[in-house]
Amino acid sequence: SQQGEEDPQALSIQEGENATMNCSYKTSINNLQWYRQNSGRGLVHLILIRSNEREKHSGRLRVTLDTSKKSSSLLITASRAADTASYFCATLNTGNQFYFGTGTSLTVIP
Amino acid sequence: GAVVSQHPSWVICKSGTSVKIECRSLDFQATTMFWYRQFPKQSLMLMATSNEGSKATYEQGVEKDKFLINHASLTLSTLTVTSAHPEDSSFYICSAMGLAGVYNEQFFGPGTRLTVL
Repeated sequence: SQQGEEDPQALSIQEGENATMNCSYKTSINNLQWYRQNSGRGLVHLILIRSNEREKHSGRLRVTLDTSKKSSSLLITASRAADTASYFCATLNTGNQFYFGTGTSLTVIP
Repeated sequence: GAVVSQHPSWVICKSGTSVKIECRSLDFQATTMFWYRQFPKQSLMLMATSNEGSKATYEQGVEKDKFLINHASLTLSTLTVTSAHPEDSSFYICSAMGLAGVYNEQFFGPGTRLTVL
């Protein structure tokens, strides 16, 4: 399987704290994207980082990419209860195939 | 951003029947569409990659005769679950990628929940 892995599988934090999720993948990629999904709902695109980029910011989100280690991290700063969701990384590989990681379930406690 | 729609959003069918799910890119042309399946509390699993005008490429373990994919135009791909069984009950999500090449993000449809009785 070319599915990536994320850790932790589940994360529970207090509102206001930062949340960090990690993603590892297996093949060479063109880009890596992070998505969130509320329970039973569709995906919401958060951020895309290209293979030649190392860091990207969007509001309270910070994404890093280390292609030598085939890994990425998503940092959510100053978390809010509304950030409670599942977060997935997804990689577009050089064969134009798109694979999701296993996901991290984030719970932010008010 | 670009919009991808799916129809129906929810379908319940009897075992043995076939169900067709449509995926449309509403405001852009999609050379490639992807179909995913998601079981409860699990990640999305890529089922197949669909390129306009050619046969779909299926992932290992996905039965191409059971999950028929047709990408007849640059804005429409369909997934037909043939002879559905209860174990096919799942959340099916499509995504579309535009013409501009490798740096395009994926645009996802809202998903179709299939329940097979």
